[in-house]
Amino acid sequence: DAGVIQSPRHEVTEMGQEVTLRCKPISGHNSLFWYRQTMMRGLELLIYFNNNVPIDDSGMPEDRFSAKMPNASFSTLKIQPSEPRDSAVYFCASISPAVLSGNTIYFGEGSWLTVV
Amino acid sequence: QKEVEQDPGPLSVPEGAIVSLNCTYSNSAFQYFMWYRQYSRKGPELLMYTYSSGNKEDGRFTAQVDKSSKYISLFIRDSQPSDSATYLCAMTGTGFQKLVFGTGTRLLVSP
Repeated sequence: DAGVIQSPRHEVTEMGQEVTLRCKPISGHNSLFWYRQTMMRGLELLIYFNNNVPIDDSGMPEDRFSAKMPNASFSTLKIQPSEPRDSAVYFCASISPAVLSGNTIYFGEGSWLTVV
Repeated sequence: QKEVEQDPGPLSVPEGAIVSLNCTYSNSAFQYFMWYRQYSRKGPELLMYTYSSGNKEDGRFTAQVDKSSKYISLFIRDSQPSDSATYLCAMTGTGFQKLVFGTGTRLLVSP
């Protein structure tokens, strides 16, 4: 299995520009998560989807952030307009239904965003 | 107060040392406890997974959960330079999706 695939791996953009981060979860995983990681705040859950439906977006910082999951194999996280304080590593993660068997969240390698 | 507290380190030890990493938490509803390892510029990967209180051992790694004290630990025996990474604790209640992470402890094992 290829694991959770994220793109782009690195993005440098100017303040005010739109940023779109993409994620392909592991095939068969029915829940998908977007996390943001910074030195100060660690890993923060932004939003998660279950069966392509957004379940909890209470972690989304503000209206500039939006996320979609149009199908089971693709999700996007969009920031518009971007600000320097959005600079962070954004991780996508997915989980299989068999959580109680010990399976748990699998993370992608992250999208490193720098807003200048 | 954060739900999960973890000392950011760095924790520097010589090769072969026993390492103790810890987290405290405030939410008594947490029942599933995990430790993730994150190498530089990589995503976190699951290291250990335990349910409720008790110990779990896997090779050089031992995870302990003390729910009465709201305290979890990860012990690494015979530490190796390849163990140098950031270790994040994570936990959740019955609603597994709400996984709450500590900020991570950076571990440096010197040869």
